[in-house]
Amino acid sequence: DAGVTQSPTHLIKTRGQHVTLRCSPISGHKSVSWYQQVLGQGPQFIFQYYEKEERGRGNFPDRFSARQFPNYSSELNVNALLLGDSALYLCASSLAAGGYSPLHFGNGTRLTVT
Amino acid sequence: AQRVTQPEKLLSVFKGAPVELKCNYSYSGSPELFWYVQYSRQRLQLLLRHISRESIKGFTADLNKGETSFHLKKPFAQEEDSAMYYCAPTRAGGTSYGKLTFGQGTILTVHP
Repeated sequence: DAGVTQSPTHLIKTRGQHVTLRCSPISGHKSVSWYQQVLGQGPQFIFQYYEKEERGRGNFPDRFSARQFPNYSSELNVNALLLGDSALYLCASSLAAGGYSPLHFGNGTRLTVT
Repeated sequence: AQRVTQPEKLLSVFKGAPVELKCNYSYSGSPELFWYVQYSRQRLQLLLRHISRESIKGFTADLNKGETSFHLKKPFAQEEDSAMYYCAPTRAGGTSYGKLTFGQGTILTVHP
């Protein structure tokens, strides 16, 4: 079991650019969630996807978008990057969107915006 | 608005001492509550969840609905318990288990 995999591990972008982060869930998991973790803070919920449909959205601007593919992998896109978008972006997968499926987290993508 | 408070940013104890990591929440409805842990150089992982009523690695957590608290306890701390601990409620039922509200976390250090 490879666990949740995220790519890339690190990324440096400049303000105004666009970024795409990728996540592959654990085999058999159909739900993917994205979190942003700013240094010194707990993770903050961005999106949840289940069966390719958005099931939840956190308090983030429309510059943030995501999608889930038929193989349940997911992409997080951020447009018009700001310095404040610098953070660790975590992806988590679970068997289902409901029930009591625990979240399995990836190692994250460290995004630095200069 | 949902809010989670972990009042201690840092907590240090000696090996063998009892430890309690505090968590207070403000959440609409009846939330389900979790504790997640991140050991050094490892990914964030589930430690325990209220609904399971289980003890994991000697840790237990009691939900006090009157005080809206979900403190994590262990009677005898071990050095390998040193880690970052997050309290995280979510809305019970429905399809909201991917949406956790994390506290700021408590760094527990257990000294030999």
